[in-house]
Amino acid sequence: DAKTTQPPSMDCAEGRAANLPCNHSTISGNEYVYWYRQIHSQGPQYIIHGLKNNETNEMASLIITEDRKSSTLILPHATLRDTAVYYCIAPNYNQGGKLIFGQGTELSVKP
Amino acid sequence: KAGVTQTPRYLIKTRGQQVTLSCSPISGHRSVSWYQQTPGQGLQFLFEYFSETQRNKGNFPGRFSGRQFSNSRSEMNVSTLELGDSALYLCASSLAPGGNTGELFFGEGSRLTVL
Repeated sequence: DAKTTQPPSMDCAEGRAANLPCNHSTISGNEYVYWYRQIHSQGPQYIIHGLKNNETNEMASLIITEDRKSSTLILPHATLRDTAVYYCIAPNYNQGGKLIFGQGTELSVKP
Repeated sequence: KAGVTQTPRYLIKTRGQQVTLSCSPISGHRSVSWYQQTPGQGLQFLFEYFSETQRNKGNFPGRFSGRQFSNSRSEMNVSTLELGDSALYLCASSLAPGGNTGELFFGEGSRLTVL
């Protein structure tokens, strides 16, 4: 059901930028892309979302390609506390807009 | 303001029993979604309620049911428990249905163990 694909795991050095890719080639023109993360044993946490323009907030930046078929979540200065599973989601408005989580990317930030 | 509250946090049941889990959304939020998380299947969507009406349903058997009250609090029930129902059950609230607002606020979950 998930309309997105992500690499299963990635490593990043502490202090460096973490760039997490997501493919959503079947996304429709009015469907947003959302990013969440889940730190072990906690509920998922909303990070950011966007439609077609790049977005930035206090947690991260979201870069969406012009054709909207892929996006990249950027954590500019990763810390050990950013170690988590990151989910990229594109709700299907034809199915009521429910948010379906895929397997996500397990990001390990290493000292 | 207070976050999403789920009760109980932990519970142990035996096969064949039934269980009811409760979720109190953030004040003012009218939409509540439920998810099941297991190591093998990840986060799976159960159902979503908005203004006391079930708006979306995932691919779960009829043993899984839910409801939402007029104060937006929600409960989910699992009857005739099976070993495979052991999981973390997560509730999330939002102002409007999740796909329309972008931001779901999750609780810490109820961890169910079925023996």
